[in-house]
Amino acid sequence: QLQLQESGPGLVKPSETLSLTCTVSGGSISSSSSYWGWIRQPPGKGLEWIGNIFYSGTTSYNPSLKSRVTISVDTSKSQFSLKLSSVTAADTAVYFCARHPGVPRGPGWVDYWGQGTLVTVSS
Amino acid sequence: DIQMTQSPSTLSASVGDRVTITCRASQSISSWLAWYQQKPGKAPKLLIYKASNLESGVPSRFSGSGSGTEFTLTIFSLQPDDFATYYCQQYNTYPYTFGRGTKLEIK
Repeated sequence: QLQLQESGPGLVKPSETLSLTCTVSGGSISSSSSYWGWIRQPPGKGLEWIGNIFYSGTTSYNPSLKSRVTISVDTSKSQFSLKLSSVTAADTAVYFCARHPGVPRGPGWVDYWGQGTLVTVSS
Repeated sequence: DIQMTQSPSTLSASVGDRVTITCRASQSISSWLAWYQQKPGKAPKLLIYKASNLESGVPSRFSGSGSGTEFTLTIFSLQPDDFATYYCQQYNTYPYTFGRGTKLEIK
């Protein structure tokens, strides 16, 4: 059974960089049938797709965040990571890591989610 | 970006009822739509993919339909465990976008 687990600081200061890591277990991060992504949810609000990555390093980002986001993958550690720079209070959210099955046309829906981690931006 | 409009935003129903949630896309997304259920403090759970395909392990009382711009999620015979928030998501075009959610409450 595939499992994803987020880790990283729960508190980040304004203007600094948010960094989170997702560890994948129970399956291969290098599978050609998987894309790995990040989705966030501000408290009490809806879901926002941040971006995703293939094990080869190919990425796609939400244009609304693209200038501040970097997603990377470390296949040797079975991990992928999110960096979001110049954070403000508006970036306070629960951050989920996720798997998109690699259907023939590209990343599909999300079938596996991490439990989510709350990141608060505050001084 | 493709806008996903869900309705209603809140729905009150009783155990045993049949309920329908609608999701409209601002442009055609073919059948590239998923539905998720989320309970407080938990990650969303996939219910339906490609508009009408039931995810493995999801009860058959959940049903999805639609294509193009209009989609529905129907829950036949509501069970106590079904009271939650439901989201649609399009994966036709980047950036992937979600509806704002429908909160299903006990009447």
